[in-house]
Amino acid sequence: SSELTQDPAVSVALGQTVRITCQGDSLRSYYASWYQQKPGQAPVLVIYGKNNRPSGIPDRFSGSSSGNTASLTITGAQAEDEADYYCNSRDSSGNHLNWVFGGGTKLTVL
Amino acid sequence: EVQLVESGGGLVQPGGSLRLSCAASGFTFSSYEMNWVRQAPGKGLEWVSYISSSGSTIYYADSVKGRFTISRDNAKNSLYLQMNSLRAEDTAVYYCAREVIRIAAASSYFDYWGQGTLVTVSS
Repeated sequence: SSELTQDPAVSVALGQTVRITCQGDSLRSYYASWYQQKPGQAPVLVIYGKNNRPSGIPDRFSGSSSGNTASLTITGAQAEDEADYYCNSRDSSGNHLNWVFGGGTKLTVL
Repeated sequence: EVQLVESGGGLVQPGGSLRLSCAASGFTFSSYEMNWVRQAPGKGLEWVSYISSSGSTIYYADSVKGRFTISRDNAKNSLYLQMNSLRAEDTAVYYCAREVIRIAAASSYFDYWGQGTLVTVSS
């Protein structure tokens, strides 16, 4: 099965734009979904599909994809965006269907 | 309102067994694929198992294959994870998650998660 690779940590100044990336072969076949997780809480879906936001997710969150790389962009980061972010996709490369998560990116808002 | 509520976690000795449950409400449970995802303390998310809406198709991560069994009871709106031969490395918070699949759009995602239940494997 394939893996998804994320940078372990990223920082951004308050109000600035930050991009979190995710690389993996499974992303050539399936769009990534992105999850925000704050300490002690369950993950929350923030981006899915080509670039879709669930109801209640601010429009400063957006997604994009090219080849084997997916990106989550936060335009005008807020203090409340400080969290761990995980990418995820289905993976059909092995002998059975699989779901893979990236290792997570810890976002610090300065 | 969609709700997923896990239960059944606790402390168990290595080699022991535990059965997790996930009670679903606020949606037509029988129409959705479901998954278990776990998170070891201080670590990232790890997919554990998938079950189709009817229960006819099941997949497991290699790390739990042969030891864990996923099942569902659509009449009771419930998802289960039977965990046998537990190891220290199975210690984690276990989440149930609803999956939405859009094959034509090459998209699948977990749109709702429970709050998780902690499983600790230790002697």
